[in-house]
Amino acid sequence: DIVMTQSPESLAVSLGERATVNCKSSQSVLNSADNKNYLAWYQQKPGQPPKLLFYWASTRQYGVPARFSGSGSGTDFTLTISSLQAEDVAVYYCQVYYSSSPTFGQGTKVEIK
Amino acid sequence: QVQLVESGGGVVQPGRSLRLSCAASGFTFSNYEMHWVRQAPGKGLEWVAVIWHDGSIKNYGDPVKGRFTDSRDNYKKTLYLQVNSLRSEDTAVYYCARGGVAATPDAFEIWGQGTMVTVSS
Repeated sequence: DIVMTQSPESLAVSLGERATVNCKSSQSVLNSADNKNYLAWYQQKPGQPPKLLFYWASTRQYGVPARFSGSGSGTDFTLTISSLQAEDVAVYYCQVYYSSSPTFGQGTKVEIK
Repeated sequence: QVQLVESGGGVVQPGRSLRLSCAASGFTFSNYEMHWVRQAPGKGLEWVAVIWHDGSIKNYGDPVKGRFTDSRDNYKKTLYLQVNSLRSEDTAVYYCARGGVAATPDAFEIWGQGTMVTVSS
């Protein structure tokens, strides 16, 4: 099974500053048949289910603010919040979803400094 | 609107069983593969199980293989998770989530609110 490793485990960023979350997979999640990275990002706030932010590594889900961006390919991916807002405090998870067992990273907690 | 609603959680003794349900509405349930994901208190997300749109293929995470069984009733638009031989480490919120159409992998766009299972003597 693919192992997803996120870093850092937590980070504290000042309001308006950039927050960067990294995700590394133990094997490539790029499907050569369609040249797509089967990598998703989710945001989870306390007491709520996860919310899909990105799929295909960089395609923003409808309604997700433009300050969020997803990038990367193969085994290394990044979620960036360009200007952190108070409502962005949450835990963020990456996930590979093409395998028979869709695996999540361990999560990164983003807080306000 | 598109919605998933879980039910069936509760407090159960170790070794006992429960059946969780996930009622779908607002989309063509029979077209989609469906997943169960759990989250232990204060922990991260753990994928549990998948069932294909037609129920023909199922797969499970290693911690639950042989103990959990997922099924679906496409007429009732309901997903089920039979959880047997429960252990303390199965204590978690159990979410159902919508996957891709037919056999096409896709991110989990739709999630339920979750149902809590507590395994305790």
